[in-house]
Amino acid sequence: QVQLVESGGGLVKPGGSLRLSCAASGFTFSDHYMSWIRQAPGKGLEWVSYISDSGGSTYYADSVRGRFTISRDNAQNSLYLQMNSLRAEDTAVYYCAREKVTTDHWGQGILVTVSS
Amino acid sequence: IVMTQSPDSLAVSLGERATINCKSSQSVLYSSDNKNYLAWYQQKPGQPPKLLIYWASTRESGVPDRFSGSGSGTDFTLTISTLQAEDVAVYYCQQFYSTRTFGQGTKVEIK
Repeated sequence: QVQLVESGGGLVKPGGSLRLSCAASGFTFSDHYMSWIRQAPGKGLEWVSYISDSGGSTYYADSVRGRFTISRDNAQNSLYLQMNSLRAEDTAVYYCAREKVTTDHWGQGILVTVSS
Repeated sequence: IVMTQSPDSLAVSLGERATINCKSSQSVLYSSDNKNYLAWYQQKPGQPPKLLIYWASTRESGVPDRFSGSGSGTDFTLTISTLQAEDVAVYYCQQFYSTRTFGQGTKVEIK
């Protein structure tokens, strides 16, 4: 079955950096676009970024463009999100998700807290 | 594309119908395939969202048939025909016509 496991979250100071990873299994990773989606505590869902199956195309929400970078390693079945210049408003649970017709499988999420 | 759901919350008796509305700021109907790029998700506390419906009305495999989606263009509806206790959750609509955008969510509770 599809499994997506995020790692790399934690507490970081404003202006700091963090790199999230997502280990995928149970499907052919290189056949799918992949997304990062976040959810601030007690709030709704916000799409952050997605990347094409080959990694050749990337897309970002306006709120993170220029600060976050999505990437993937198809040989390692892994998805990444490099987050720089972090702000308090980036505090959220970050979900790794698979794209098929649309977002069809989600990881359990990893908490990122930006606070001094 | 901005997605707006109504209501923000609703309380429904067990066995009764629950209806959630979603409106997009522009049409999500793609003319080349005549499909509405609209999905619905269910999120229970402490869990990631679960895909219920895509193409506005196609149920994901394994989703009970009491969940149905309708609508076209800019106006969509998720209906739970007979509310069960396990349906208590927050429901989100999502457009996938242009990247991804979610509605703000609708909390469904038992009356």
